[in-house]
Amino acid sequence: GAVVSQHPSRVICKSGTSVKIECRSLDFQATTMFWYRQFPKQSLMLMATSNEGSKATYEQGVEKDKFLINHASLTLSTLTVTSAHPEDSSFYICSARGGIRYNEQFFGPGTRLTVL
Amino acid sequence: QKEVEQDPGPLSVPEGAIVSLNCTYSNSAFQYFMWYRQYSRKGPELLMYTYSSGNKEDGRFTAQVDKSSKYISLFIRDSQPSDSATYLCAMKSGNEKLTFGTGTRLTIIP
Repeated sequence: GAVVSQHPSRVICKSGTSVKIECRSLDFQATTMFWYRQFPKQSLMLMATSNEGSKATYEQGVEKDKFLINHASLTLSTLTVTSAHPEDSSFYICSARGGIRYNEQFFGPGTRLTVL
Repeated sequence: QKEVEQDPGPLSVPEGAIVSLNCTYSNSAFQYFMWYRQYSRKGPELLMYTYSSGNKEDGRFTAQVDKSSKYISLFIRDSQPSDSATYLCAMKSGNEKLTFGTGTRLTIIP
């Protein structure tokens, strides 16, 4: 149990386009979802926290207009990188918690974004 | 001083050895402790979850939490090449977000 999926696993796009990444909890209801960014050989950097039905809470320094987060249901959250630029190229990972294992946090497999 | 300190390694040990990975922390409010394993270009996988102090064993893995010393450990017995990965400790208090260590890169040498 406690499986989190992400789609797509890899995306390459041109500068200026927008990219949407989906995160789904497959076998539990995720009351809270998190979005992280990870650069090579570095630890995870939390971007934002979202609770189902509420606006996301962004970490300091993360542009909310650039990284749009929607947590419309208990099993789905989306991250949209708007007007992507090469510096947005990174590994984006979502995680979720909820249900009876509420204090544990489960991660998706990640999405590698490359902006040309 | 970081809230969570973890030796980044790299750590190399021969196959079959016992591996000890550790983290120290400064926030006495942390109550929930986790160890994650992350393979290259993959998301972290939750290995062990412990609430408050004590030991927890799952197969070849043992997690220990010593809240009085603000010190947590993960032991891997009979280490295998497939255990080669980056290991992240993480912890939180109550409903707060997770605070991660920087991760330890582990290589098991066949």
